Amino acid sequence: DAGVTQSPTHLIKTRGQQVTLRCSPKSGHDTVSWYQQALGQGPQFIFQYYEEEERQRGNFPDRFSGHQFPNYSSELNVNALLLGDSALYLCASSFVAGGAGTEAFFGQGTRLTVV
Amino acid sequence: SQKIEQNSEALNIQEGKTATLTCNYTNYSPAYLQWYRQDPGRGPVFLLLIRENEKEKRKERLKVTFDTTLKQSLFHITASQPADSATYLCALSNAGNNRKLIWGLGTSLAVNP
Repeated sequence: DAGVTQSPTHLIKTRGQQVTLRCSPKSGHDTVSWYQQALGQGPQFIFQYYEEEERQRGNFPDRFSGHQFPNYSSELNVNALLLGDSALYLCASSFVAGGAGTEAFFGQGTRLTVV
Repeated sequence: SQKIEQNSEALNIQEGKTATLTCNYTNYSPAYLQWYRQDPGRGPVFLLLIRENEKEKRKERLKVTFDTTLKQSLFHITASQPADSATYLCALSNAGNNRKLIWGLGTSLAVNP
């Protein structure tokens, strides 16, 4: 059973460019959350998708957008990249039927470097 | 604003000893508190979840306590091993937004052989 998979694993982009990160949730999971983790920091919640809709959003600008597909996979898009967007981007999946307090399963992350 | 504090200093202990990590929070009333392990360059891995009405939970060599009066959780690793060396993160959520996790900065643990 494949866990959460993210692609690509590493990415280098130039300031002002746009980037798309991808996530496939664990089999049986229907909810995907995205987090940004800067070096030496804890993850920061970006947003969460369920039933192809953004359900919750953290304190991130509109440059950060996402999408969830019918197969539950998800994309994170970041426009007009800034140097400060350099971070490890984590995708976490869970399932609604698991009820409250469900553990999250994380992918290995995408390391984005903006130069 | 909500704040989660973990041991800011890295923790170095000798193999076989018990490691104790602290997670304190303010301006928040979590329904759930979770502990994760994170290795460099990898995503966090779930270890334990404890609910607000639970005082203690154990799993193999791991033990978590949750004191909602003190607003504190303690995470213990008994009979520590060098393989336990990693960063340990605590994450909080409430019942309404249980999949939005709010994280501490993590505590780096090094177990020396």
